[in-house]
Amino acid sequence: KAGVTQTPRYLIKTRGQQVTLSCSPISGHRSVSWYQQTPGQGLQFLFEYFSETQRNKGNFPGRFSGRQFSNSRSEMNVSTLELGDSALYLCASSLGEASGNTIYFGEGSWLTVV
Amino acid sequence: AQSVTQLGSHVSVSEGALVLLRCNYSSSVPPYLFWYVQYPNQGLQLLLKYTSAATLVKGINGFEAEFKKSETSFHLTKPSAHMSDAAEYFCAVSEGTGFQKLVFGTGTRLLVSP
Repeated sequence: KAGVTQTPRYLIKTRGQQVTLSCSPISGHRSVSWYQQTPGQGLQFLFEYFSETQRNKGNFPGRFSGRQFSNSRSEMNVSTLELGDSALYLCASSLGEASGNTIYFGEGSWLTVV
Repeated sequence: AQSVTQLGSHVSVSEGALVLLRCNYSSSVPPYLFWYVQYPNQGLQLLLKYTSAATLVKGINGFEAEFKKSETSFHLTKPSAHMSDAAEYFCAVSEGTGFQKLVFGTGTRLLVSP
């Protein structure tokens, strides 16, 4: 069964632009969450979506947003990019119906802001 | 709120030696605990998870971890290190109540020398 798929894998954007990252969860998984990974801050939770509803949100500014579609696929958007947004963005999926579900990660999208 | 502390940002072992990566957690509710591994330029791969079924958890690639409530620890071990084990390892705790949110430690980079 296919794993979590993220596109694009690598991208370079200019400060002030916006970016959209896409994530396809494992078939049957209804929860999709996003994490940002940087050398300085480590792995930080951005938000989680379950059945098209944002269920939990991390401590990030409003420039970071996301959505989930009826097929569970998810996108996250970052507007007005800053140099500090350069990071690996990881998408994860799980069944999402109970605590302790295994959470599977994709390969990530490497974003560089110049 | 849950938190995780990983002692030692770098651990060096010789091939064939015991691997011990330390993780201590803080949680106000019975925790769900995970160990993930990240190889260079890749996403996170689940090694094992604890969900209260058994205190000694066996994972992939010969790794195992023991949950010790009295010590609030979930250390990762492997009897004999291989060169291919060189990677970064993350301990994480799941915030329960159904939310699929992981709180990660800062990671430990495992270096394996021949």
